[in-house]
Amino acid sequence: DQQVKQNSPSLSVQEGRISILNCDYTNSMFDYFLWYKKYPAEGPTFLISISSIKDKNEDGRFTVFLNKSAKHLSLHIVPSQPGDSAVYFCAATSAYGGSQGNLIFGKGTKLSVKP
Amino acid sequence: ETGVTQTPRHLVMGMTNKKSLKCEQHLGHNAMYWYKQSAKKPLELMFVYSLEERVENNSVPSRFSPECPNSSHLFLHLHTLQPEDSALYLCASSQDLGGRGDNEQFFGPGTRLTVL
Repeated sequence: DQQVKQNSPSLSVQEGRISILNCDYTNSMFDYFLWYKKYPAEGPTFLISISSIKDKNEDGRFTVFLNKSAKHLSLHIVPSQPGDSAVYFCAATSAYGGSQGNLIFGKGTKLSVKP
Repeated sequence: ETGVTQTPRHLVMGMTNKKSLKCEQHLGHNAMYWYKQSAKKPLELMFVYSLEERVENNSVPSRFSPECPNSSHLFLHLHTLQPEDSALYLCASSQDLGGRGDNEQFFGPGTRLTVL
């Protein structure tokens, strides 16, 4: 059973508009969330993260929102650029339990930003 | 070379072959990881090493055998694989175990494995 779910396999957005990528989780012990970005033929690279003590974290064009009661987080990219076209992975981890803080990933959402 | 490198980038093997995947990190990290990414599935953590000691084995079949001879190198030895083992195998490293805060995991480009 997936603990981190990205229900949209793909998203297409026009350049300059906002991209919103969604992620849901089921494990209430998760207390830290990350977004990774992956280009073809490259490994995932860290993009932005958020701790469960916050509900928003912003870094330039990228903002992550966390709604703990809904067990939902989203990544907003504004304005979207063609270079943002990639697969975005949501990941979560917990400081508790015996998993050594391992990252649990979703399946990813492929974002296409059209010029 | 910088970051995390993986060789080979592509590998095709028969079910009776023995092959090895290699990962090298040039970041001075203490923790290294093997992940598997199958089509339409999340990245699955396979093995975790910290200071060359295996700390996690997520119920991975014995036909996958990891080896960490030192903190910079990680191998995945493959033996009598099945076609369903075809996937992208990613290596990652981090300063210490986990992946939060300043301890982010850095990934290599992966090895695309096809088992015939």
